[in-house]
Amino acid sequence: AQSVTQLDSHVSVSEGTPVLLRCNYSSSYSPSLFWYVQHPNKGLQLLLKYTSAATLVKGINGFEAEFKKSETSFHLTKPSAHMSDAAEYFCVVSDYSGGGADGLTFGKGTHLIIQP
Amino acid sequence: NAGVTQTPKFQVLKTGQSMTLQCAQDMNHNSMYWYRQDPGMGLRLIYYSASEGTTDKGEVPNGYNVSRLNKREFSLRLESAAPSQTSVYFCASSEEVNTEAFFGQGTRLTVV
Repeated sequence: AQSVTQLDSHVSVSEGTPVLLRCNYSSSYSPSLFWYVQHPNKGLQLLLKYTSAATLVKGINGFEAEFKKSETSFHLTKPSAHMSDAAEYFCVVSDYSGGGADGLTFGKGTHLIIQP
Repeated sequence: NAGVTQTPKFQVLKTGQSMTLQCAQDMNHNSMYWYRQDPGMGLRLIYYSASEGTTDKGEVPNGYNVSRLNKREFSLRLESAAPSQTSVYFCASSEEVNTEAFFGQGTRLTVV
């Protein structure tokens, strides 16, 4: 079975400062990992994905994430926050084994607040 | 560039009424999903279809049924709506089950 834990329900940073959104996962197989962003009253947009290639993954809008198998983590970072980054962020794991109700499993989300 | 299209965008139902949420994708994806989103809960999988002709239960299937009508379309039916089904519903599709998913804009459903 797979699971995802987003360690912070809310993160608040000042504009121009670094962003760190933390995610730990549990998986029985070699997982695929994703970060999605959801702006208010919108659908979900893929930020980046890890699928067993490079462990440092670059995404859209200056975000990146590092896959650390030893720590079972996939934290999302950005060097300098922008007001438009204010949104809900979801860490997602997939280790579909073909035998059950897996597919994509979502974390509960981290609400990112950007202070002017 | 439609991607994943859901209808309707908003719906209010009375307890006990039935309705079907429609979803269509134009990306020739094999897999399709229905999720519900509730505050503080993230997205929870209701049902998914790994490929045309197959459907499987997700984490929270009770009270719902699905139909994979063809490769493009995957509908979600509430036979007898309950207030606990008030939620935002998202349809998604992906090339295969463990690949990135593309989401529709959501259906905000209120059951009174």
